[in-house]
Order: sequence, then structure tokens, then C-alpha cells
Amino acid sequence: KQEVTQIPAALSVPEGENLVLNCSFTDSAIYNLQWFRQDPGKGLTSLLLIQSSQREQTSGRLNASLDKSSGRSTLYIAASQPGDSATYLCAVKSISGQNFVFGPGTRLSVLP
Amino acid sequence: AAGVIQSPRHLIKEKRETATLKCYPIPRHDTVYWYQQGPGQDPQFLISFYEKMQSDKGSIPDRFSAQQFSDYHSELNMSSLELGDSALYFCASSLWATGRDEQYFGPGTRLTVT
Repeated sequence: KQEVTQIPAALSVPEGENLVLNCSFTDSAIYNLQWFRQDPGKGLTSLLLIQSSQREQTSGRLNASLDKSSGRSTLYIAASQPGDSATYLCAVKSISGQNFVFGPGTRLSVLP
Repeated sequence: AAGVIQSPRHLIKEKRETATLKCYPIPRHDTVYWYQQGPGQDPQFLISFYEKMQSDKGSIPDRFSAQQFSDYHSELNMSSLELGDSALYFCASSLWATGRDEQYFGPGTRLTVT
């Protein structure tokens, strides 16, 4: 059974810092991995999708990497802004199942 | 671009009542997923449909049922509601046929059971 963890659980940084969020998964037989952002009480916004054959994806100030063999993905946020404050969720889809398994998320606060 | 639509956005029910949540996927998406997110928790997968057939099942209680219709919209039916069913219910859709299968989430329905 796939299990997904994320560290840190919470992170508070001053504006402008570069930061890294970590996601680990137990079953390396994945189909893809997706990073989401969730604002309090709101829906999930897709940030980046990495297919199992890919090593990284980039979108603007965001860069996500995938290392299947070690069961890890990282989300790198460059030059953080207060508007980046949200919970970031990592979700993994295994080859054996159709659904995503979500991590518990990292709650990010970027201070002006 | 069109997004996933969910209705209603908010719903208040009493214990033992029934509720029906609706989801309209992005046009031409062939797969719909339902998730439940309790307060302070990560989303938990309930059930999914591919081309109107149930494709996977997660931690969905027997009191809940779902289906996908010919126009690809989906409904989640919840009966004998319990206080613990209070949560955000998300629908997501994807285009499995491309192989990319990126999931797009709707805004959610907030269900409160009193």
C-alpha cells in the first residue's frame, strides 16, 4: 500500500528566500506524481505533474524533481512571495491503482 | 478554460438525512474521481469512474454510492448521514486516454451535518 509523507509539516520564511519542500513515497512503482497548492478552505490547484519517466518539471518559479529509486520528490520555490503562502500537497499515483494517494502537506507561510 | 464544476458549494444536512453532490468534469475528460477531505486532513480517495464505469474504489462507506452518467457528469449519493461525514468533498477529472492523466480538481462541496 502506497504511503506518502511530507516534510517539513510547516515552514515559515521571509519573503525572497528560496525553499525546498520534500515528499517521500514507499512504493516506487508510480505512474505519476503531482504537486498541488491548497489555500484554506479552498480547492486544490495543480502546480506540476511529473510522469514516472521524467526527472523534473518547471513552471515559472517552481521546479519539481523526481527520484523514483529513492522514493522522493522535491518542490523548489524560488524567490518566495507572500502570495505563495498556502498548503502544498504531494500526490502519487501508483501503477497498480487509479487513485492518488496524498501526503499530509506542508503549510508554508512567507512573511513580508 | 473550462474547469471542474461542483454543486452545491455548501450543503447543510441533519443526521440521518441524505445528500447528493454533483460534479461536471472538464469537457472531453474521460475520468472522474471523488475525494473526501476532513478538517485538517489530506484528501482521501473515495471512488473513480472511467468512461462511465467504476474503475477504482477507495475508502467509501457503504452508505455512499456514486455513478457517472452518459453526459459524463457524476453524482455522489450519501445516505444516513453522520456527524463524521462533515467534510469537503472534491471531484477531479482527467483525460486518461492521453496517458498524462493530470487531475484537475473542482472547488469542492462543503458538507456540514448537524
